[in-house]
Formats: sequence, structure tokens, C-alpha cells
Amino acid sequence: DTGVSQNPRHKITKRGQNVTFRCDPISEHNRLYWYRQTLGQGPEFLTYFQNEAQLEKSRLLSDRFSAERPKGSFSTLEIQRTEQGDSAMYLCASTPGGNQPQHFGDGTRLSIL
Amino acid sequence: AQSVTQLGSHVSVSEGALVLLRCNYSSSVPPYLFWYVQYPNQGLQLLLKYTTGATLVKGINGFEAEFKKSETSFHLTKPSAHMSDAAEYFCAVMSGGGADGLTFGKGTHLIIQP
Repeated sequence: DTGVSQNPRHKITKRGQNVTFRCDPISEHNRLYWYRQTLGQGPEFLTYFQNEAQLEKSRLLSDRFSAERPKGSFSTLEIQRTEQGDSAMYLCASTPGGNQPQHFGDGTRLSIL
Repeated sequence: AQSVTQLGSHVSVSEGALVLLRCNYSSSVPPYLFWYVQYPNQGLQLLLKYTTGATLVKGINGFEAEFKKSETSFHLTKPSAHMSDAAEYFCAVMSGGGADGLTFGKGTHLIIQP
């Protein structure tokens, strides 16, 4: 069990640029979740995948946000035309499925200049 | 819809004293409940979980929590605080097979006084 891996750990970019984050889940985990955490708050659910299928995406914050998991392994989260309000920690979690506990990565901290 | 309320954004205890972090939840279906700990600039680490069965659950690092359905509570306790327990603690609820992800409280920052 190598844990959930997220890259990069930190991303600094200018407003209006596109950014992409990567998440590598625990290898035998079928479900993968994305969350956003702003300062002083708990994580907020964004979307999740069961294998390669994105089963819930209505909670993505706007149409500038999109996620993929093309082969049911790693996943990417993209934010287009970044805004100041997108500055946050983006967390990925994986789980075998159902109501099993989710295992979190260390997150990607996004800072918008 | 489900929600979590954590009473007290900051809790301060002396080293060796009892730790009590409060969590109340609302859920329209039987919930699955979790406590996570977060250290600065890190992800969340699972402390313990309640799914079904015994209502008193034990976790890592000497923490435990009791599920009380009548009070819709899942408070976290530790008999004797250690300096290394200083961190942010999050209570979370999940239902519906995980389709809505975890719903977290706002967190409680635990401060340990020497």
C-alpha cells in the first residue's frame, strides 16, 4: 500500500491560466473522489469515479472544472481560466467502494496570483 | 441531505488531560461516521469509523468515539492528551453508498498546552 499520491504538491499560477492536477489512487481501489478545501473549512465534495465512469459531477463548482479517469487508474482535475477564488487545497481520495473509509492524498495547494 | 456540526472551532487542553471533541450530524438514512485528523499541509488521516454494530469504536493513537443515535452525536475522546495530538480534527458523515462523497464539519483545532 503506497498510499494516494497527488502531483504537484503546490501550484502557483496567474489568473486566467489553466491548471491540471494528477491523482494516483491506491492500486486496488475502484473509487476515486475529488474534494476542495478552503482555509478554515472542511473538505467539500466535487466529483467521484467508479473505475473510469464519472458517476457524480453536479457538484463541480462551475463549468470551468472538469475531471477525467480515462483508464480507471489515475485521475486528473482541470481548472480552466483560473480565478482568485479557486485558490484552495485540492484533495483526492480513494476507496475500495461503498461505505468503506476514504484514503486521502496530501493534496495540491493552488495559489492564484 | 446530510450535515455535520462540530462545536468549537478551537479546543485547548493541558497535556495529560481528557480530550473531548464534539460532533453532531444529521442524515435521513443510517449514517456512516468518520473522524479524520489533518496536520499542516497534509491530507487527512483516518482516526476511526462507525459503520454498524458496536457503538463505541476505538481508533488509532488512543482515540475513541461513541455513536449515539438518540442524540445524533459522534463525539471523539482521548483519556490523556499528548503534545503530538495538536492538529485539526474533522468529523464526517457518509450515506447512500458514497454517491455524495463525505460531508465534513468545519473542523476543530486542538491545542495542547504544556
